[in-house]
Amino acid sequence: EVQLVESGGVVVQPGGSLRLSCAASGFTFDDYAMYWVRQRPGKGLEWVSLISWDAVDTYYGDSVRGRFTVSRDNAKNLLYLQMNSLGPDDTALYYCAKSYYSGSGSSSDFDFWGRGTLVTVAS
Amino acid sequence: SSELTQDPAVSVALGQTVRITCQGDILRTYYATWYQQKPGQAPVLIFFGKNNRPSGIPDRFSGSSSGNTASLTITEAQAEDEADYYCNSRDRSPYHVVFGGGTKLTVL
Repeated sequence: EVQLVESGGVVVQPGGSLRLSCAASGFTFDDYAMYWVRQRPGKGLEWVSLISWDAVDTYYGDSVRGRFTVSRDNAKNLLYLQMNSLGPDDTALYYCAKSYYSGSGSSSDFDFWGRGTLVTVAS
Repeated sequence: SSELTQDPAVSVALGQTVRITCQGDILRTYYATWYQQKPGQAPVLIFFGKNNRPSGIPDRFSGSSSGNTASLTITEAQAEDEADYYCNSRDRSPYHVVFGGGTKLTVL
């Protein structure tokens, strides 16, 4: 059974930093690109980041580029999101999601999602 | 980045058919993907590509596309279909993804 479990969400002050983790199980982690998607309270979904299966390629949404860094440890089946210079607009539930397709290539098809971890940026 | 536009809210009578749409120029190039999200739950993939439904998704959910508009059709809507529905697609920038704003479906 595929499982994705996010952690690391806390209350952090504006300007602070945070690292989220996503523990993956039930599939061959290093075969798949992985994504971060966030959802602000009461709002829609927003794509945050993509990391390729081999961690060579990373991509970011406009609102986080230059502040967030995605990484992965394929030996430990872990996905990370380092978040710096946090602001109130970063308050959201952060989901990690798995690409439906294995290997390289661009996709918007996310077949498994975690339950999310809540990041609150407030003083 | 591209934009995908969805109606904020749609309603359907129990047992009737409803179409939820997603509009954007990027859909002339890429297929839309559809997700269902119920309150307090993570999104669930329900339809993707030209004609793909993940296992476990009822066949009353179907997708189609024409020009700049993608549609998710729910045939004989059930009470449990009441949820938020999101479309997304690949974006013009390679490996980027764009989401629609979501449609809240009410089953009357």
